[in-house]
Amino acid sequence: GNSVTQMEGPVTLSEEAFLTINCTYTATGYPSLFWYVQYPGEGLQLLLKATKADDKGSNKGFEATYRKETTSFHLEKGSVQVSDSAVYFCALYTGTASKLTFGTGTRLQVTL
Amino acid sequence: NAGVMQNPRHLVRRRGQEARLRCSPMKGHSHVYWYRQLPEEGLKFMVYLQKENIIDESGMPKERFSAEFPKEGPSILRIQQVVRGDSAAYFCASSPPTSGRHTGELFFGEGSRLTVL
Repeated sequence: GNSVTQMEGPVTLSEEAFLTINCTYTATGYPSLFWYVQYPGEGLQLLLKATKADDKGSNKGFEATYRKETTSFHLEKGSVQVSDSAVYFCALYTGTASKLTFGTGTRLQVTL
Repeated sequence: NAGVMQNPRHLVRRRGQEARLRCSPMKGHSHVYWYRQLPEEGLKFMVYLQKENIIDESGMPKERFSAEFPKEGPSILRIQQVVRGDSAAYFCASSPPTSGRHTGELFFGEGSRLTVL
């Protein structure tokens, strides 16, 4: 079956530090990959996505590259801000199932 | 506000009572999904509905839980005889109708947080 594995949190960084949140997946077929972000007390919002191998999704300074050879979709940002503090979820969708499969989420805390 | 609307935002129930959670999808969306988020855990799929049809309920507990998306009105997730383990955030998401392959992109509501005393 499909599954997503994310690095354990919480991740605590100082403002302007470099961020990497690891995500690997197992899937049948050729999944689309997503990063969603959940700010405190809110629902999830799509952050970025990639639909095929070697695609790079980017938004708000965040980037992730779909690596089929390593089945990974790591999230990166060169310089985090306090406002980036949130929980980040990696997810996949294969199209043969009707649902997104989410990782467990990684909490990011950015301090001044 | 044209987003996914969920209510109530917070619901407190005693063990054995019923909980009803409502979700109005984004305008023009005909697909509704319910997910459950337990404390400190990720989102777990529960059910996928289209108008008047349950498409996939593979994530729904076999007992006490039911969902509907009537022709008119919001989608409703119903939990009968709640127990403490039902305490969680329940998120609804919607997606537009598709003429072919789903993209997998979902639009989420802000969630309904159920607390069972």
